[in-house]
Amino acid sequence: QVQLQESGPGLVKPSETLSLTCTVSGGSVSSDGYYWSWIRQPPGKGLEWIGYIYYSGSTNYNPSLESRVTISVDTSKNQFSLKLSSVTAADTAVYYCARVEVTLFDYWGQGILVTVSS
Amino acid sequence: QSALTQPASVSGSPGQSVTISCTGTSTDIGSYNLVSWYQQHPGKAPKLMIYEGSKRPSGVSNRFSGSKSGNTASLTISGLQAEDEADYYCCSYAGPSTFVVFGGGTKLTVL
Repeated sequence: QVQLQESGPGLVKPSETLSLTCTVSGGSVSSDGYYWSWIRQPPGKGLEWIGYIYYSGSTNYNPSLESRVTISVDTSKNQFSLKLSSVTAADTAVYYCARVEVTLFDYWGQGILVTVSS
Repeated sequence: QSALTQPASVSGSPGQSVTISCTGTSTDIGSYNLVSWYQQHPGKAPKLMIYEGSKRPSGVSNRFSGSKSGNTASLTISGLQAEDEADYYCCSYAGPSTFVVFGGGTKLTVL
């Protein structure tokens, strides 16, 4: 059973960079055919896809966030990470990491709330 | 504003059936048979319920079914149970650059 776990600071100051890591267990980020993604959900609102990465390092980002997002992978640690720069209060959300098979998200982490506030 | 349009809320009594609609455009739902549906209970991560429009992952009750017509996808839940009360999100592939778009979510209340 694949499990994902997000980790990182729960509070980030405006204009700074949000950094989160997703640790995968019960499976490998190097598995062929699977992408690894970040999705966020502002409080009381819907889901927004942020981007994904393949173990080779190939990435694809939501065009609305592309200028501020970087997703990377560390196959030796079985982890992938998210960096979102120049954050504002609008970036306050629960951030989920998830495994992608084709176009569906089949395994999700429990989510981590990140608040942007001074 | 979400890319896909869902009703904000639907409700039904135990044992009844409800249908949640998800309206997109010819660039997402209308072009691909790659709609998925997710169930989310409060404080929990979303759970995949339907993929490729009408397929159920292993372990998902056959009370859940999906369909598509034109630019609109639908999720039907039959034999409503109290545990079905949750938020439901549709999601569609929208091409290699956009990848996927989500609906705004529908709150299902079991009366």
